[in-house]
Amino acid sequence: EVKLQQSGDELVRPGASVKMSCKASGYTFTDYAMHWVKQSPGQGLEWIGTIIPLIDTTSYNQKFKGKATLTADKSSNTAYMELSRLTSEDSAVYYCASGPNYWFAYWGQGTLVTVSS
Amino acid sequence: DVVLTQTPVSLSVTLGDQASISCRSSQSLEYSDGYTYLEWYLQKPGQSPQLLIYEVSNRFSGVPDRFIGSGSGTDFTLKISRVEPEDLGVYYCFQATHDPHTFGAGTKLELK
Repeated sequence: EVKLQQSGDELVRPGASVKMSCKASGYTFTDYAMHWVKQSPGQGLEWIGTIIPLIDTTSYNQKFKGKATLTADKSSNTAYMELSRLTSEDSAVYYCASGPNYWFAYWGQGTLVTVSS
Repeated sequence: DVVLTQTPVSLSVTLGDQASISCRSSQSLEYSDGYTYLEWYLQKPGQSPQLLIYEVSNRFSGVPDRFIGSGSGTDFTLKISRVEPEDLGVYYCFQATHDPHTFGAGTKLELK
């Protein structure tokens, strides 16, 4: 069974950074790309970017360049997303998603980031 | 960026009814390889989204055949025949043809 286990919710100060994780199990980590999606409170979904762990290649939504940094650790089957210079606009639930053929077939449970002083 | 316009914004149905959701794109979603990378997702209350349909009309593993995707170019439709309680939630279309990939704003399916 494919599972994506995301790290816990975060409360962070404005201007700080946060790094969240997404641990994959149930498949070969390097077989699928890993995507990240933002869902702002009561809002829809935004694609942040994608990392291909096999070749450590990333692609970003231009809107999130400079805000999000995607990495992957093949030794622990874990993908990471770091968000920098946080503002209230970054308060949201962040999902990782993966699957064959670049589909968002399997989703993590989401990490809630709250930016507040 | 490609804008996906979903209509209606919300849809009230009786269990057993058919529901239809439209997704219109600001640009053709046919890629140069001949495929159309249009997907449909359902987000049930309090849950992560789940993949229903990929490449316009292909049901993902385990998705019931009452979910039918169709369309081409810029106009796409998701039909749900015989709505069941577990179908309630917010439906999103998503395009992966153009960068950046984008989602529609969602259609909330609820009980009448």
